[in-house]
Amino acid sequence: DSGVTQTPKHLITATGQRVTLRCSPRSGDLSVYWYQQSLDQGLQFLIQYYNGEERAKGNILERFSAQQFPDLHSELNLSSLELGDSALYFCASSVDSESNYGYTFGSGTRLTVV
Amino acid sequence: DAKTTQPPSMDCAEGRAANLPCNHSTISGNEYVYWYRQIHSQGPQYIIHGLKNNETNEMASLIITEDRKSSTLILPHATLRDTAVYYCIVSQDDYKLSFGAGTTVTVRA
Repeated sequence: DSGVTQTPKHLITATGQRVTLRCSPRSGDLSVYWYQQSLDQGLQFLIQYYNGEERAKGNILERFSAQQFPDLHSELNLSSLELGDSALYFCASSVDSESNYGYTFGSGTRLTVV
Repeated sequence: DAKTTQPPSMDCAEGRAANLPCNHSTISGNEYVYWYRQIHSQGPQYIIHGLKNNETNEMASLIITEDRKSSTLILPHATLRDTAVYYCIVSQDDYKLSFGAGTTVTVRA
């Protein structure tokens, strides 16, 4: 157990639907990162939050949004889902955004869009 | 961030040292070298990172050349559980790490 908790572990939904993925960071970590891993794209950085504020943005689609709450958990919202959104979604956390320490990943949410 | 080049795959015998190379010829002075690994669809796992000096922890050693244009990750005594995809990443920031294709390491009994 890495200390980063992601729920649900598996999610199957239909095209056009909206889903919410949840991440609880490791205790004491202020930064949360979201990554998408699909078969043809590898691990892609989506977005980072630090202590409730958006810190960095990567290849995140406009249909996707995220937020970090006062208790530091984060949610990734995916809407108008397409077949190509099927992927593993990983959340990671770290103490802060500039400590230059490695960060800890959760076990991921496998999203299947049918 | 600087781009890295890794061999797509390599085999290693169980109990032997595994030496994983990584080229990062365009690395700049304030960029760190990070290594992560991913065991079959699990979340990536941090291994080690360094700037200029060689580093060692309980998992591995990181050797960075003097010109910093390449590095080698050393797993001193590979076990079957070390079979994974290993990613070498160069970044000046701990966030927004860009994962490439990595090296698929297969440890054989």
